[in-house]
Amino acid sequence: AQSVTQLGSHVSVSEGALVLLRCNYSSSVPPYLFWYVQYPNQGLQLLLKYTSAATLVKGINGFEAEFKKSETSFHLTKPSAHMSDAAEYFCAVSDAGGTSYGKLTFGQGTILTVHP
Amino acid sequence: GAGVSQSPSNKVTEKGKDVELRCDPISGHTALYWYRQSLGQGLEFLIYFQGNSAPDKSGLPSDRFSAERTGGSVSTLTIQRTQQEDSAVYLCASTQDRGFSETQYFGPGTRLLVL
Repeated sequence: AQSVTQLGSHVSVSEGALVLLRCNYSSSVPPYLFWYVQYPNQGLQLLLKYTSAATLVKGINGFEAEFKKSETSFHLTKPSAHMSDAAEYFCAVSDAGGTSYGKLTFGQGTILTVHP
Repeated sequence: GAGVSQSPSNKVTEKGKDVELRCDPISGHTALYWYRQSLGQGLEFLIYFQGNSAPDKSGLPSDRFSAERTGGSVSTLTIQRTQQEDSAVYLCASTQDRGFSETQYFGPGTRLLVL
């Protein structure tokens, strides 16, 4: 069974600073990994996904993530934070090999706060 | 085009009452998922529908929960005899096709409060 751990339930950065949100996964098969963002009172929106094509994945809004198999990690980064990045971020792994194609297992989420 | 829609956006009910939550997926999407988002449990998978195949109900927390998908499109999640621990945001998502790497498109959710 797959699982995801997000280190840090809250991350606070200054506007213009580097954003780093950590995600580690556990999977018995090659994983498919996702980062979703959730703004207040909204559903989840895909930021980016890893599907084994390339280890460095670029997403929307200037975010990117690097898949590191040796570290079982898929950390999300953005070089320069913007006030509009304040939201909750979820890392997820797909149920590869199961019967629910694409069923997602989510981490606990990380709330990103951006200070002016 | 239109995204995934859910109704109602908010629902307040009394303990013991039944509730129905509706999800309209993106037109043409074959797969549909229900998730629950609560403070204590985070985001949890509930049920998965794919075309005419039997649904995967492995995430439903109790037999008070049921769901159906009519005509391969609209889905309804029903909670019978609601309990306070059922209070949560219920999210629906759909994907264009079946696949482990398919992007799931989420609706805005239904906020359920059981008093």
